[in-house]
Amino acid sequence: GQNIDQPTEMTATEGAIVQINCTYQTSGFNGLFWYQQHAGEAPTFLSYNVLDGLEEKGRFSSFLSRSKGYSYLLLKELQMKDSASYLCAVSVMNSGGYQKVTFGTGTKLQVIP
Amino acid sequence: EAGVAQSPRYKIIEKRQSVAFWCNPISGHATLYWYQQILGQGPKLLIQFQNNGVVDDSQLPKDRFSAERLKGVDSTLKIQPAKLEDSAVYLCASSLDRGAGTGNTEAFFGQGTRLTVV
Repeated sequence: GQNIDQPTEMTATEGAIVQINCTYQTSGFNGLFWYQQHAGEAPTFLSYNVLDGLEEKGRFSSFLSRSKGYSYLLLKELQMKDSASYLCAVSVMNSGGYQKVTFGTGTKLQVIP
Repeated sequence: EAGVAQSPRYKIIEKRQSVAFWCNPISGHATLYWYQQILGQGPKLLIQFQNNGVVDDSQLPKDRFSAERLKGVDSTLKIQPAKLEDSAVYLCASSLDRGAGTGNTEAFFGQGTRLTVV
């Protein structure tokens, strides 16, 4: 199985930068997703990394180091609407060639004025 | 593009009763997932379908949970009988993943069904 660790809660100030870390231990690693989930809503896709390095998409960036089993999500110019849970999810390929995605417990980010 | 549709949005039942949830995935999405999300936790995969076949149900409590995806489109998840610990949000998601190592594809989630067992 997969063991995924991320902080439970974080607080950051509007306009600032915050980094949410995720570490994982798995066999058959086939990529890592980040999802955003506002309270009472469904998760929505933010990013996907399969190769080492940084992927930038607007205010959000995601980094992956496969050798270290480590990823982070970087949020810049924080806005109040960024208050949400951020889910790290690891993909492995099962015997049938389908991806199986396992989610971490999520990091609840609170943005304060 | 229409998203993943789920119903009902909310359901309250007594323990030992049965309940069913329905999901209509995005048109053309071969893979359908049912996740259980307990408050304060991440989604936990219950079952994964590729078209109308099951590719993973290793975490499905098969003594009380069942799911089907007839004709490879809509799906239903049933709990019978329900226990208090089944109180959670049940999320349905779909993706374009067609297997055979065709690469990772993001999942699109429905709004979920919030189940309360009393």
